[in-house]
Amino acid sequence: GESVGLHLPTLSVQEGDNSIINCAYSNSASDYFIWYKQESGKGPQFIIDIRSNMDKRQGQRVTVLLNKTVKHLSLQIAATQPGDSAVYFCAENTGGFKTIFGAGTRLFVKA
Amino acid sequence: GAGVSQTPSNKVTEKGKYVELRCDPISGHTALYWYRQSLGQGPEFLIYFQGTGAADDSGLPNDRFFAVRPEGSVSTLKIQRTERGDSAVYLCASSFTGDNSPLHFGNGTRLTVT
Repeated sequence: GESVGLHLPTLSVQEGDNSIINCAYSNSASDYFIWYKQESGKGPQFIIDIRSNMDKRQGQRVTVLLNKTVKHLSLQIAATQPGDSAVYFCAENTGGFKTIFGAGTRLFVKA
Repeated sequence: GAGVSQTPSNKVTEKGKYVELRCDPISGHTALYWYRQSLGQGPEFLIYFQGTGAADDSGLPNDRFFAVRPEGSVSTLKIQRTERGDSAVYLCASSFTGDNSPLHFGNGTRLTVT
């Protein structure tokens, strides 16, 4: 069935280090994947997306990797900053219109 | 430009009462979504509109929940006979087309049923 999960509920990193947030998905029919960042009291904010015909996509300080063989998705944040502290969700689309979210990983950035 | 706007930001109601939650999507976005988020959880899909019609309402938990989008822009989520278990943050999102495009979320309405 449809489910998106995360390996670690909490991640703590030192400011300036790189962060890696992992996600496993179960629906092999999913063809579009998105990472969102959610700060306290706000709605999720789009970070980066990737389609199933790609295995890597880079943005500003962020990289998303997709491994469809093992149904694994990761978000890499370079030179993590205090402003990166938030909850990060991976999400997947099957059939184009319905986005399913995982439970999230809370990222703490230590100064 | 203006993002997705949700009102009210907070709503406290008594068990058994009726509530309406409003969403103003980004202008020009044809797709509109409602999600519910409980503490410590990811957003849970409720319903999706393409234009005026509900294209997928499979996430509505029961018939106490209903949503409309009569003119293809503003949407209202309606909850009848509220229960304490309905307490959550209700998030609205819109996207340009809905088809494999990212969602733009509002800041949600925090509903508390006492």
